[in-house]
Order: sequence, then structure tokens, then C-alpha cells
Amino acid sequence: DVKVTQSSRYLVKRTGEKVFLECVQDMDHENMFWYRQDPGLGLRLIYFSYDVKMKEKGDIPEGYSVSREKKERFSLILESASTNQTSMYLCASSLADRGNTIYFGEGSWLTVV
Amino acid sequence: GENVEQHPSTLSVQEGDSAVIKCTYSDSASNYFPWYKQELGKGPQLIIDIRSNVGEKKDQRIAVTLNKTAKHFSLHITETQPEDSAVYFCAASKSVNQFYFGTGTSLTVIP
Repeated sequence: DVKVTQSSRYLVKRTGEKVFLECVQDMDHENMFWYRQDPGLGLRLIYFSYDVKMKEKGDIPEGYSVSREKKERFSLILESASTNQTSMYLCASSLADRGNTIYFGEGSWLTVV
Repeated sequence: GENVEQHPSTLSVQEGDSAVIKCTYSDSASNYFPWYKQELGKGPQLIIDIRSNVGEKKDQRIAVTLNKTAKHFSLHITETQPEDSAVYFCAASKSVNQFYFGTGTSLTVIP
């Protein structure tokens, strides 16, 4: 089975703090994604990575950055957290040569106060 | 860009009845249509998917149909059970990093 692991399930951070969300996948997938999920807005793509050190902006990259130093690990960084970044963050991964099937982690609930 | 609309937003059915969730998409280049089930507090799980060269796909009690001409696809769950209660998302994709998701359907199966 594909395993996408998000190490932090629930976080509470203060406005202005730097926040790191970590994601690890164990299936040697080339592609990794960070999505944000909000009620009524569905899932929106923040960043996509198709290889180590490679990244592309998604639909809502403002206020976020990412890091992919190893193939299995993809980190989402909030340089200065704001209350409007309170949300559920979902990491996902997929193989480059298996079509478009993507697999999600369990999610990280971030509250910024 | 792509626009995926999903209906209904909430759906309640009696246990044993069927449930149907519908999605429409706008970009004719979309060629892959997965469905995800998300239980409370968990991430979305892929339950079934269909590609544009196929009109229908079935997996036990779950089936998906695709009408490329009309640009709509549907999820059908037969003989519903309480454990089917969850939020279901459709998506349309035309490339590895272009997935567009519906806003979800909250399905409740009443015992």
C-alpha cells in the first residue's frame, strides 16, 4: 500500500511564527504535492514537486514555500504564519509513469492564533 | 482553467438504497477522473477512477460512469451501508499536476 505520512496531525501556532509541515512517502514516487482544504472551497494546490529540488507553484502559493531535498520528503513552510492560513493541509504523491493517480496523507490541521 | 462542479452538496439515504453523486467539468482535455472518500479527520482515499477512453467502471458496490460529450461523470453506490457515510470528492485531471476537485458531497447513510 502507498503510505504518505504527515508527521504533525494537529498544530497550534502564533501569528508571525515560522511553521514547518513535513511529509514523507515510502513508495519512491517522483511527484509530491501540498494542498490546502477549506470548507466550501475544496482542495486547492499550493505547490507541486516533480523531482528533488524541483518545484512549481500551484493555484495559491502566496505565503508559502516548499523544500524537497530528498525524493521521499516534501516540506511546506509558512515563513510568517497568519490567521488566514488556519486550515487543513494535505500532502500527496504520485508516480510519474502511472498516469495521474495521486495518494493523500492523513492531513495536518493547523490553527494560527 | 478547469471548473469542476459537484452535486449535491449533501445527500441522505436509507441503508440499502443507492446513492448517486454527479460532477461536471469544463475542459475537454481532461482525461482522468478519480473519486475520493474522506472520513472525518482523515485524508481523502481513492475509491475508484476512470479514464476518458472508458465509459463505465465498476468495483463491487461502487461504479463510475463518464459521458465525455456532455462532460459529466457520476459515482454510484449501491446497497449503501452506514460505513459509506463520508464526504466524497470528484476530480478532473489532464496532467500530472493539474487536478481540479469538486467541493464535496457529504453522504449520510441512515441505518
